[in-house]
Amino acid sequence: NAGVTQTPKFQVLKTGQSMTLQCAQDMNHNSMYWYRQDPGMGLRLIYYSASEGTTDKGEVPNGYNVSRLNKREFSLRLESAAPSQTSVYFCASSISEGNTEAFFGQGTRLTVV
Amino acid sequence: GQSLEQPSEVTAVEGAIVQINCTYQTSGFYGLSWYQQHDGGAPTFLSYNGLDGLEETGRFSSFLSRSDSYGYLLLQELQMKDSASYFCAVRDPGSNYQLIWGAGTKLIIKP
Repeated sequence: NAGVTQTPKFQVLKTGQSMTLQCAQDMNHNSMYWYRQDPGMGLRLIYYSASEGTTDKGEVPNGYNVSRLNKREFSLRLESAAPSQTSVYFCASSISEGNTEAFFGQGTRLTVV
Repeated sequence: GQSLEQPSEVTAVEGAIVQINCTYQTSGFYGLSWYQQHDGGAPTFLSYNGLDGLEETGRFSSFLSRSDSYGYLLLQELQMKDSASYFCAVRDPGSNYQLIWGAGTKLIIKP
């Protein structure tokens, strides 16, 4: 039982390049989330998907897009990376939107140069 | 909107008890959660308080006072493996009840 799996674990991009972060969960959870975490700060929500087929903006959505491919998978795309997007990205899932217990992937450490 | 305040760093001795406080300002309140994150790792869920009082899970306890907009995480019999950052989080009714996080408290444990 893997829980929440994110790929890649590390990535270096040049400014203007694009990439997609992949996330999959095997816990049959309905809700999935993408967060970013910057040094000395808590997690900030980028986008979330309350259930399969729906996506909504979080606190910091600019510069990102998401796709809820199916119930298991939720991807995050950076169309044109900027140095301000250097961060650690976490994918998470929970049974439902209102459930406060979220399960996190191990994170993707992204550097944009 | 919502805001949460917690100390940036707390130091304690192995075997001791430590309390990490969290105060919040919210337009509505739907419970306080606590997460632990080791350096380089992912956050993991510790506890949730929806009502006033103390919730106990082994060596960890969490307390909530809604009238004071205040909660704390209590760690007893500290072990070196408890060295981590601890985050409080509340749900924001203005953002479809998604979690809003505090900046985290780094717990340093000395032998």
